[in-house]
Amino acid sequence: QVQLVQSGAEVKKPGASVKVSCKASGYTFTDYHIHWLRQAPGQGLEWMGWIYPNSGATRYAQKFLGRVTMTRDTSISTADMELIPLTSDDTAIYYCARVPSSAAEIDSWGQGTLVTVSS
Amino acid sequence: DLTQPPSVSVSPGQTGTITCSGDRLGRKYVYWYQQKAGQSPQLVIYDDKKRPSGIPERFSGSNSGDKATLIIAGTQAMDESDYYCQVWDNGIAYFGSGTTVTVL
Repeated sequence: QVQLVQSGAEVKKPGASVKVSCKASGYTFTDYHIHWLRQAPGQGLEWMGWIYPNSGATRYAQKFLGRVTMTRDTSISTADMELIPLTSDDTAIYYCARVPSSAAEIDSWGQGTLVTVSS
Repeated sequence: DLTQPPSVSVSPGQTGTITCSGDRLGRKYVYWYQQKAGQSPQLVIYDDKKRPSGIPERFSGSNSGDKATLIIAGTQAMDESDYYCQVWDNGIAYFGSGTTVTVL
């Protein structure tokens, strides 16, 4: 079955970087966009951007331009999201999710990765 | 901006209605996600009114004018969750602020 398995929780200091990984299985990795979203404590969902594993093309939300980098390694069906520099406002659960290339619904989500930014 | 009521209360077995309002929303496809406490979101409605495989028939959706609606018919205790509407606009995903559905 389709699975998106994310890397474990992280604790970072302000100014540092974080890289969250998302390993896909159960489907053809290059046929779906991987999106990254986050959810601050007690808050709603915020979209960060996507990467298309087939080509490596990316699109980032305006808010994160210059701070986020999304990459992929098709040989191991893994997508990564790196965010730098971190502030306390980046404390959130980060999700990877997939969207079919020919559709628009987010049909599968990772389990989430808690990133805590604290001095 | 997508506007959702912060909370909706529904009695078991009754119909719950969650709205999502936005300018000319009816011109876009709306997606609905259910997020139970401590879990990742799950798609319950896509393309305004389609249900993914495995989603109970009691979930339905509509979208017209400036408002989309998620309806839960015969609400069950397991439906107690946060619900988010979402649209795409110029390749960017926008989410509503979420509605907490309480079944009591």
